[in-house]
Amino acid sequence: EADIYQTPRYLVIGTGKKITLECSQTMGHDKMYWYQQDPGMELHLIHYSYGVNSTEKGDLSSESTVSRIRTEHFPLTLESARPSHTSQYLCASRQNVDTEAFFGQGTRLTVV
Amino acid sequence: QKEVEQNSGPLSVPEGAIASLNCTYSDRGSQSFFWYRQYSGKSPELIMFIYSNGDKEDGRFTAQLNKASQYVSLLIRDSQPSDSATYLCAARSSNYQLIWGAGTKLIIKP
Repeated sequence: EADIYQTPRYLVIGTGKKITLECSQTMGHDKMYWYQQDPGMELHLIHYSYGVNSTEKGDLSSESTVSRIRTEHFPLTLESARPSHTSQYLCASRQNVDTEAFFGQGTRLTVV
Repeated sequence: QKEVEQNSGPLSVPEGAIASLNCTYSDRGSQSFFWYRQYSGKSPELIMFIYSNGDKEDGRFTAQLNKASQYVSLLIRDSQPSDSATYLCAARSSNYQLIWGAGTKLIIKP
C-alpha cells in the first residue's frame, strides 16, 4: 500500500476563499505531482516538483500555487476558490522517472 | 494529436473472455510504459509496467510493447466483473515527463 496521504478527503467551500490541499508521502520520493481530474475524464497535470525548492507548472493553468520546502510535503493552494475549481485533486509521487507513480486517495473539492 | 491515445470505450467484454486494451504514443523516445486501473471515484493504481519490447505477464495480465509501432497493449485473461474499471496508459516521454492517456472504460458483463 502506498504511503501517500491527502487531506482533506472532501471539502465544500465558498467562492473567494483561500484553501490549501495537503499531500504528504513517507517514501522519500523526490518527484511529486498534482493532478486535476473531473469524473470520467482524463488526468490533467497542474504542478510538479523534482525535489526541495523545485516546482513547475503543468499543462493546466489552475490558478493555484505549490511549495516544496520538505521532501515529504507538497501542498497545493488556491488563493481564491471559484466554482470552476470544483473537481477531484490527486497527488502522486515516484522515486525516479522510470518507476511507478503512487497516488493519494484524492481530495474532492466543491466550490459553491 | 494527443501524445498518448486510447480508445475511450466503453469496451464491453463477457465474463471469462479476454479483454484487450490498446494504447499508442507519439514520442518515439518514450522509454517506459505503465498501465493503471482506476475504479470510479478512486485513485489510479498500478497494474503493470513494461520497458522492453515483447510481452510481460503477471497473473491474468499481459502487457505487450512494440516500440517500432509505438504501441502498448494490456490483455486481461479470464475477465471478472471486478475488472470493470477505467484503464489508463502512461508513457515516460523523452523529456522524462509521465504522459497519460485519457483512459479506456472496460465493462465486464456477467
